[in-house]
Amino acid sequence: DQQVKQNSPSLSVQEGRISILNCDYTNSMFDYFLWYKKYPAEGPTFLISISSIKDKNEDGRFTVFLNKSAKHLSLHIVPSQPGDSAVYFCAAILPRTQGGSEKLVFGKGTKLTVNP
Amino acid sequence: KAGVTQTPRYLIKTRGQQVTLSCSPISGHRSVSWYQQTPGQGLQFLFEYFSETQRNKGNFPGRFSGRQFSNSRSEMNVSTLELGDSALYLCASSPSAGSLYNEQFFGPGTRLTVL
Repeated sequence: DQQVKQNSPSLSVQEGRISILNCDYTNSMFDYFLWYKKYPAEGPTFLISISSIKDKNEDGRFTVFLNKSAKHLSLHIVPSQPGDSAVYFCAAILPRTQGGSEKLVFGKGTKLTVNP
Repeated sequence: KAGVTQTPRYLIKTRGQQVTLSCSPISGHRSVSWYQQTPGQGLQFLFEYFSETQRNKGNFPGRFSGRQFSNSRSEMNVSTLELGDSALYLCASSPSAGSLYNEQFFGPGTRLTVL
């Protein structure tokens, strides 16, 4: 059961335009969300995160929006640059429950290609 | 500052064997997490260690185990290998506990192939 879904396996945009990467989740208990990007042959790199008590977080060209009622978050990259071409993973954290563990659940990723 | 290092980078094993993967975190980082990446399942969280104690655990069978040493280096062991264990195993480190909420720094991974 995929609790975090990235329904678009790939996305292609022109340099300078906006890239919007989407992520849907099913478990309302998730309390924190993160985006990672991954270049080939490298480990993922943390990009930006957002707590479930917020609806927006911005860091430079990157903004994450969270819509809790829709169980949806999105990553906006403005303006997009060729160096942004990578696979982007959405992830969500289930907080620790009594006797249990925190859990980090990833989506399967969206490959972004930014064309010059 | 050196990044997270993982050894070996590539490994080929046969079904039924066991394997041990090693991870050296960034100097000063005390938390180490392990992940499995496969084409079918994507990135999945295995477990997290902090100060030699397993703090969090994903939904993997007991064949997957790990440990952390006093110098924060960590090892992951998979026993009785199955074909489905073929994957990229990633290690990540973080300066403090609660690392799942904090920025993690990933190594390049160990590519395990089970024949």
